[in-house]
Amino acid sequence: DGGITQSPKYLFRKEGQNVTLSCEQNLNHDAMYWYRQDPGQGLRLIYYSQIVNDFQKGDIAEGYSVSREKKESFPLTVTSAQKNPTAFYLCASSIPTGRSSGANVLTFGAGSRLTVL
Amino acid sequence: GDSVTQMEGPVTLSEEAFLTINCTYTATGYPSLFWYVQYPGEGLQLLLKATKADDKGSNKGFEATYRKETTSFHLEKGSVQVSDSAVYFCALSGTAGTASKLTFGTGTRLQVTL
Repeated sequence: DGGITQSPKYLFRKEGQNVTLSCEQNLNHDAMYWYRQDPGQGLRLIYYSQIVNDFQKGDIAEGYSVSREKKESFPLTVTSAQKNPTAFYLCASSIPTGRSSGANVLTFGAGSRLTVL
Repeated sequence: GDSVTQMEGPVTLSEEAFLTINCTYTATGYPSLFWYVQYPGEGLQLLLKATKADDKGSNKGFEATYRKETTSFHLEKGSVQVSDSAVYFCALSGTAGTASKLTFGTGTRLQVTL
């Protein structure tokens, strides 16, 4: 079955450490996204990528970095510069807008919960 | 910029009760509108969508109508079940090249009891 796999599901980090969250999709989607979810704040966009080797900052990119070396993969690194990294992180993907009526629909992974100790 | 406002939860209902979760939006142009649902410990799943004014999205007994005049997309279900307990997110789509930038509301938690 096609879908998005995020790992690890749970991650603990000490202050000052960088951590990388994995996101892999086998949907053949061009666009990929990272969202952060905090209680009472909904989802906020961290980074997105329309195509391999290209990505753009979302609304809260500070303290995060991404890469898009392969179509299937869009890992997110939470750096020590992120002041409040404890959150639930969601990866998503979509087909390009304008391609079909299915455009604009995001498929989400199951999420990764990061806790800073 | 774009924004979505949802009614605050939690919403607690008895099984078979009628559900309404209000959603209003602010956006330039003509966005598509969505309802996503999140079950405990999981990611978000698309529940329904509408792409233009007066469209009605529906799925699993849930409905929402795209009302441009009131900039609203309220979610309704005639008879809720315990299995509908989840967090519901209203969202609208902007575009950034070929990517879809969704703006989400803060989510409304629904708890259905027997």
